[in-house]
Amino acid sequence: GEDVEQSLFLSVREGDSSVINCTYTDSSSTYLYWYKQEPGAGLQLLTYIFSNMDMKQDQRLTVLLNKKDKHLSLRIADTQTGDSAIYFCAERANQGGKLIFGQGTELSVKP
Amino acid sequence: GAVVSQHPSWVICKSGTSVKIECRSLDFQATTMFWYRQFPKQSLMLMATSNEGSKATYEQGVEKDKFLINHASLTLSTLTVTSAHPEDSSFYICSAVLTSGMNEQFFGPGTRLTVL
Repeated sequence: GEDVEQSLFLSVREGDSSVINCTYTDSSSTYLYWYKQEPGAGLQLLTYIFSNMDMKQDQRLTVLLNKKDKHLSLRIADTQTGDSAIYFCAERANQGGKLIFGQGTELSVKP
Repeated sequence: GAVVSQHPSWVICKSGTSVKIECRSLDFQATTMFWYRQFPKQSLMLMATSNEGSKATYEQGVEKDKFLINHASLTLSTLTVTSAHPEDSSFYICSAVLTSGMNEQFFGPGTRLTVL
């Protein structure tokens, strides 16, 4: 079955880089996503990567995909206090575009 | 563009009553919408896939008679929690699929349901 796993917590200092990791099991996933959720709010799409790509960079965000190991990471450069939130990775299953979410990583940025 | 709204943003109701939550795609049409449930500090659990003009497809373990879904138009899906109980208290999030390119899902802001 499909399963997505993430570490639950990450704490960094303002200005440092944050790296949030995710593993997934469905090797046929087409797209892999990173979402941000602030308290009491819905999900905001941060970035995504197509399964035939190794890396994608978008301003402060860098996504790395190791398809062989089914490992996805999100690096946030120059992390700011406003980046404090829960970050979800998700894979898009082949069936009907359903998203399978990880448990979420709570990022805490200390001044 | 691609904005999804939910109404209400929060609701408190008594046990045994029914609550309707609306999900609207404001600037695009969505033949498919998804309903998720999220418990505190947990991930999103897909409840059902809502298809315009046809019956919703429910995930295993989700009671279709408990959680009624109606997708009557290309911009509106509703989730009705019938005979709500305290264990139904949760954060309900919908998403709408923009049918172009990647078939991207855009998420609503969520509805906090508290059943007393």
